[in-house]
Amino acid sequence: KQEVTQIPAALSVPEGENLVLNCSFTDSAIYNLQWFRQDPGKGLTSLLLIQSSQREQTSGRLNASLDKSSGRSTLYIAASQPGDSATYLCAVPPSGTYKYIFGTGTRLKVLA
Amino acid sequence: GAVVSQHPSWVICKSGTSVKIECRSLDFQATTMFWYRQFPKQSLMLMATSNEGSKATYEQGVEKDKFLINHASLTLSTLTVTSAHPEDSSFYICSATPAHRGAEAFFGQGTRLTVV
Repeated sequence: KQEVTQIPAALSVPEGENLVLNCSFTDSAIYNLQWFRQDPGKGLTSLLLIQSSQREQTSGRLNASLDKSSGRSTLYIAASQPGDSATYLCAVPPSGTYKYIFGTGTRLKVLA
Repeated sequence: GAVVSQHPSWVICKSGTSVKIECRSLDFQATTMFWYRQFPKQSLMLMATSNEGSKATYEQGVEKDKFLINHASLTLSTLTVTSAHPEDSSFYICSATPAHRGAEAFFGQGTRLTVV
């Protein structure tokens, strides 16, 4: 059974720092891995999608890497800003299904 | 990109009543949609898979008689919370995957249900 874990559970940093959020999964048979952002009381915003054949994806200040064999992904946020404060979730659909298994989330707070 | 629309975005209902939540794929057809649930400060948990033209499949521990799912067309799935109780208060969100986008999921905006 696929299990997805995120570390740290919470993170508070001053503005301008570069951050690394970690996601690990137990079963490497996945279609892809997606990183999402969730603001309090809101829905999900897709940040990056990495296909199982890819190693990384970049969008602006965000960079996500995927090491499928070791069951790990990292989300790198450069030059963090207070507007980056949110909960970040990673999720994977096991191969053969489109249903996503979500990680436990990292609550990020960037202080001005 | 593909758009999934969910309605309503929030709803308050009295205990014992039923509430229907709609999930629509606006610019693509979806034979399968998924319903998730999120309790406060927890992650999203898959509730059920909605299959167009056939019965939904439910995850372990989810009461199918309480959470009725209907997927009558290729663009619409509905989740009805029957005889709602305060413990059903939660954030419900649906997703769908266009056939041409591999396994990439697109999520609705979510529905916050409060049962009083």
